[in-house]
Amino acid sequence: GQQVMQIPQYQHVQEGEDFTTYCNSSTTLSNIQWYKQRPGGHPVFLIQLVKSGEVKKQKRLTFQFGEAKKNSSLHITATQTTDVGTYFCCGGGGADGLTFGKGTHLIIQP
Amino acid sequence: DAGITQSPRHKVTETGTPVTLRCHQTENHRYMYWYRQDPGHGLRLIHYSYGVKDTDKGEVSDGYSVSRSKTEDFLLTLESATSSQTSVYFCAIRPMNTGELFFGEGSRLTVL
Repeated sequence: GQQVMQIPQYQHVQEGEDFTTYCNSSTTLSNIQWYKQRPGGHPVFLIQLVKSGEVKKQKRLTFQFGEAKKNSSLHITATQTTDVGTYFCCGGGGADGLTFGKGTHLIIQP
Repeated sequence: DAGITQSPRHKVTETGTPVTLRCHQTENHRYMYWYRQDPGHGLRLIHYSYGVKDTDKGEVSDGYSVSRSKTEDFLLTLESATSSQTSVYFCAIRPMNTGELFFGEGSRLTVL
């Protein structure tokens, strides 16, 4: 079945540094979604990308969907302590749920 | 808020006992999901539902059953809990028109 690989598993950064997490699928995706989970919380939807090569921005967050629709990235510029958490990519689209990557844990040192 | 609640939020039980987790939504969405989250494994789909009495298995369905007799409730049952089922369980709903998942706050289950 479909597999979604996400790297790195952990990322330590100093506050103010940039952060990027990458997501790769074994198959072409109809769309990709990104979620953020704060420590002790539940995953919260951030964004969905649908088109090949699509780039979307939310303030300091930039999301990209690859031309082949098999990879995606999330980049955070100038991290802040509020960015701490685990970021998940999620590929698929049908009613049978979405395949999640294992997540990237972002740890920020002040 | 997405109008989704899970109960119980925390449960400790013993190996071999049955456990039922409840997911309740007030949004009238057709699609509902149960995921489990474990360190190093991310979120894995257990079962999902298209609507009342319409359910299907996910990637880690062994040892779990589900029921959906009403649109608003999706129940996850562990017939005979095992220590490997110690986990945090998340229910999610999905609007048809937008596609994203809205998660409940999770149910932490410990099987001793």
